[in-house]
This record gives sequence, structure tokens and C-alpha cells, in this order.
Amino acid sequence: NAGVTQTPKFRILKIGQSMTLQCAQDMNHNYMYWYRQDPGMGLKLIYYSVGAGITDKGEVPNGYNVSRSTTEDFPLRLELAAPSQTSVYFCASSPSGGYGEQYFGPGTRLTVT
Amino acid sequence: AQRVTQPEKLLSVFKGAPVELKCNYSYSGSPELFWYVQYSRQRLQLLLRHISRESIKGFTADLNKGETSFHLKKPFAQEEDSAMYYCALSHPSSGYALNFGKGTSLLVTP
Repeated sequence: NAGVTQTPKFRILKIGQSMTLQCAQDMNHNYMYWYRQDPGMGLKLIYYSVGAGITDKGEVPNGYNVSRSTTEDFPLRLELAAPSQTSVYFCASSPSGGYGEQYFGPGTRLTVT
Repeated sequence: AQRVTQPEKLLSVFKGAPVELKCNYSYSGSPELFWYVQYSRQRLQLLLRHISRESIKGFTADLNKGETSFHLKKPFAQEEDSAMYYCALSHPSSGYALNFGKGTSLLVTP
């Protein structure tokens, strides 16, 4: 199993551009999450999903959108990129509700200039 | 409000010395706490969780509700323990998402 995969690994965007960060998992996990990590800080929740067709906002959702049309994929869309969105983005998945382990992707490093 | 505090940004110890990484939390209710670790060039991964009461790679963590702490301990540090350690709290709202501390970088020197 590949686990949780994220593409791209790195990206530089200009202010105002848009892009989609891809996240996929092959473990048939229902729960998926997007976090961002700014330098020197802990990870903060952007959006989460408890199953296909169900998404909800986390702590820092402004400037982002998500969709979950399949169990496997959970893309994160950035509209009108701003320098404040420069960060490392992590996708994670978990098999079910409860206090189970979350499995993380390798991260996407995004710079907005 | 939930909050996880890791007061040490960097902790440096000698090989064979005991190590304690501090974690304090604020949470109204019964928390479920975790330690995640990120080794160099590897993904963030679970080290241990309070609910399992386990010891992984010689590390243990005890939940102290009176002091609202979940410190991570190991009696004899090894060089391969050098990594970034994150304490995290999970809550049923937000789909059991994790609320992370800022992390402590542990450096074990020979």
C-alpha cells in the first residue's frame, strides 16, 4: 500500500493564482484531514471529512475549499493565493471515528510570492 | 478552548541520559492525548497514545489530570531518538482531528 500520497511536493504560486493540492489514500479510510504548518508552529486543521460527500471546516478554513467525491481522494483547493498561505500542507487519514491513529502524507511545501 | 503547550522548542541530551519532553494541555472534559514524531526525512507518525497505555521504543507518557500534563519520558536516550516530537489532543468534534502543540526538537548527542 502507498498509504497517503500528496502531490505536488513543492510549488511556488504568484499572488492571486489558484491551485489544487491533491491527496489520496488507498487504505479505505473514512476520515481525512487537511492541516497546515507554519514555521515554528504546530499543525492547524483546515478542513476535514468523515466520509465521501461529507466535509466540514476546521480552525483555519478561509481561502480554501475541499471536496470528497470518493473515499480515496480529498483535494484541497486554494483560490486567489495570498502570501499568508505560504506553509507546509499535510493530508492525513484515519480508519474511523474514535481516537485512532492518523496516517500522514509527506506534505506539500507551498510558497506564495 | 483546547490548547496544547510544549514549552521547550529544543531539548539536547547526551546518549544514555534520561529525557523528558513536556506537554501541558487545557481541555474541558476527558482528553485523549497522543505523541507524534517526525524523524528526519520521514513522515509524521504516531509514537504513542494515552488510550493504549503502551510503551513504544522505550518511551512512556502518563496522563496527569491534576497537573493537566502528558509528559513523554525515556530513561536512556539513544541517538536514533533525535527527531521532532509533537504532543496532540483529540476531540470528538472536528471529526477527532488533532490539536497539536508547537513541537519539541530532541537532539541526542554521543
